[in-house]
Amino acid sequence: DTAVSQTPKYLVTQMGNDKSIKCEQNLGHDTMYWYKQDSKKFLKIMFSYNNKELIINETVPNRFSPKSPDKAHLNLHINSLELGDSAVYFCASSPGIYNSPLHFGNGTRLTVT
Amino acid sequence: GENVEQHPSTLSVQEGDSAVIKCTYSDSASNYFPWYKQELGKRPQLIIDIRSNVGEKKDQRIAVTLNKTAKHFSLHITETQPEDSAVYFCAARTGTASKLTFGTGTRLQVTL
Repeated sequence: DTAVSQTPKYLVTQMGNDKSIKCEQNLGHDTMYWYKQDSKKFLKIMFSYNNKELIINETVPNRFSPKSPDKAHLNLHINSLELGDSAVYFCASSPGIYNSPLHFGNGTRLTVT
Repeated sequence: GENVEQHPSTLSVQEGDSAVIKCTYSDSASNYFPWYKQELGKRPQLIIDIRSNVGEKKDQRIAVTLNKTAKHFSLHITETQPEDSAVYFCAARTGTASKLTFGTGTRLQVTL
């Protein structure tokens, strides 16, 4: 009964390919996020949606495109993958914008070869 | 934007000793400061948080202190146990959007 679930758990692909990561939360939260954790363990926010509306869009290459079909889902599509995109991508959710405890998914380890 | 610095980057303590991790933040408007624990290969999990109207908060062996004037906050773990070994992240929230800026992490190792 996972609260924030992401698929796939592992993703190995070649440079230049396009891939998607899916995220779903069953907590009834309004706000969802994508974070990137690099090899040095730095956690950086990429995007945030509140009730399907984009509210945070950090300095991320436009090869990355989030999509939120409803407030329980936030997907991440990456075009033209590069070696530097290799990282663990975490989806997270929180009750709302001003109520910030984040609940993270288990992460997707993306390896670009 | 907000900048959060965290020290030390690694910390090794003996079982039963205390561990202290310190963070500083740059934006005086930041008002929420959570701490996350990430075990190897797992997701970050919230262990304790504090809001800007509170100076200290305790939960069993874990405590967090906040000094708004100096813009720093600290995590204290007493009577450390091997299962406390993990990477710990501090974070600060600022602005009207729910943006959490994370520190760079502290790898805590508790040795027997």
